[in-house]
Amino acid sequence: ETGVTQSPTHLIKTRGQQVTLRCSSQSGHNTVSWYQQALGQGPQFIFQYYREEENGRGNFPPRFSGLQFPNYSSELNVNALELDDSALYLCASSLSAGVTGELFFGEGSRLTVL
Amino acid sequence: RKEVEQDPGPFNVPEGATVAFNCTYSNSASQSFFWYRQDCRKEPKLLMSVYSSGNEDGRFTAQLNRASQYISLLIRDSKLSDSATYLCVVKGGGSSNTGKLIFGQGTTLQVKP
Repeated sequence: ETGVTQSPTHLIKTRGQQVTLRCSSQSGHNTVSWYQQALGQGPQFIFQYYREEENGRGNFPPRFSGLQFPNYSSELNVNALELDDSALYLCASSLSAGVTGELFFGEGSRLTVL
Repeated sequence: RKEVEQDPGPFNVPEGATVAFNCTYSNSASQSFFWYRQDCRKEPKLLMSVYSSGNEDGRFTAQLNRASQYISLLIRDSKLSDSATYLCVVKGGGSSNTGKLIFGQGTTLQVKP
């Protein structure tokens, strides 16, 4: 619907493992943001990429890292997984660093850490 | 203290009822305000922006009180399809080009027949 696609949709990992989540932004959008949504909570900002550069970061440790590619798609990498990393990870694309505040979210990647 | 606070509910109302959700935010420098809607196990979607003058979109009315740092959403004539979680969202207050949105916990609405 939004044109933002994420993969994988569901995955299960164990503590200490690493995970890479992928996101393709809506056509024409140059900004991608990543959010973590724990059960029963609102989404929490992880970081944003604008034209391949990190352009803002939330209160997440360095083991959360990302990339944005020339086609504006993006990856979120999480190292040394912890149980509390279990959540829905949402990618959102927007135009011009989200100036208007409207983000177009993908359906998310649901990560379970055992 | 959370940056954006909402009553999580749930609010259980009959069809046709009027329901109001409230939200407070802590950063007085916040620049923009929104309500997003999230259906169960789906992604959030923008419902409406919120302006100081108040704005209306059909059955939905949003209000902003900057002095009190308070945002509201009023839904009139509730429909079954309005059942969802409503997220209060605040933007800005820091570096101007970061599109960081700060979400509240969300308020769950269940409209009953």
